[in-house]
Amino acid sequence: DAMVIQNPRYQVTQFGKPVTLSCSQTLNHNVMYWYQQKSSQAPKLLFHYYDKDFNNEADTPDNFQSRRPNTSFCFLDIRSPGLGDAAMYLCATSTRTSGYEQYFGPGTRLTVT
Amino acid sequence: GNSVTQMEGPVTLSEEAFLTINCTYTATGYPSLFWYVQYPGEGLQLLLKATKADDKGSNKGFEATYRKETTSFHLEKGSVQVSDSAVYFCALRGLQGGSEKLVFGKGTKLTVNP
Repeated sequence: DAMVIQNPRYQVTQFGKPVTLSCSQTLNHNVMYWYQQKSSQAPKLLFHYYDKDFNNEADTPDNFQSRRPNTSFCFLDIRSPGLGDAAMYLCATSTRTSGYEQYFGPGTRLTVT
Repeated sequence: GNSVTQMEGPVTLSEEAFLTINCTYTATGYPSLFWYVQYPGEGLQLLLKATKADDKGSNKGFEATYRKETTSFHLEKGSVQVSDSAVYFCALRGLQGGSEKLVFGKGTKLTVNP
């Protein structure tokens, strides 16, 4: 089945220690998104790639970076995680031909100790 | 700008009860409207969608009708089950710049008791 895969499902990192979360997709969608979701809140869009074009949300901290080496993979890098960065991180994909309907991965739960 | 206002939760129902979760929106033109569901510890799944006025989206016994006159997209189910316990998000996709992005409501947590 075509899908969005996120690894790892659970990640523990130390305060200030860089961490990378990964997302891959078999849908061949040209748009990929990263969201942060804290407990009992809606997902908050951090940034997205439209093809190779990177689109950062105005309120996304500089601490969050992203890379998309090819169509299938996208990475979220947190350069110096703080306690406030503990959250669920969701990756999603979409494409114009399906009306930009977003397909979500299962998420990575990040804990910062 | 575009926005979604969703009924505050949590909502607690008994099995087989009728469910309504209200959602209203503010947008220019005719946005696409979505309901997503999130089960505990998981990502979001598309539940249903509607892309034009008077469209009815339906899936797994859930329904929602795109009402342009009231700018609403209320989610309904005639008889809920324990397995429907989840958080439900209403969302819209606008037609203008950044139309590949979604605007989410705050979510409504539903608990269904046996």
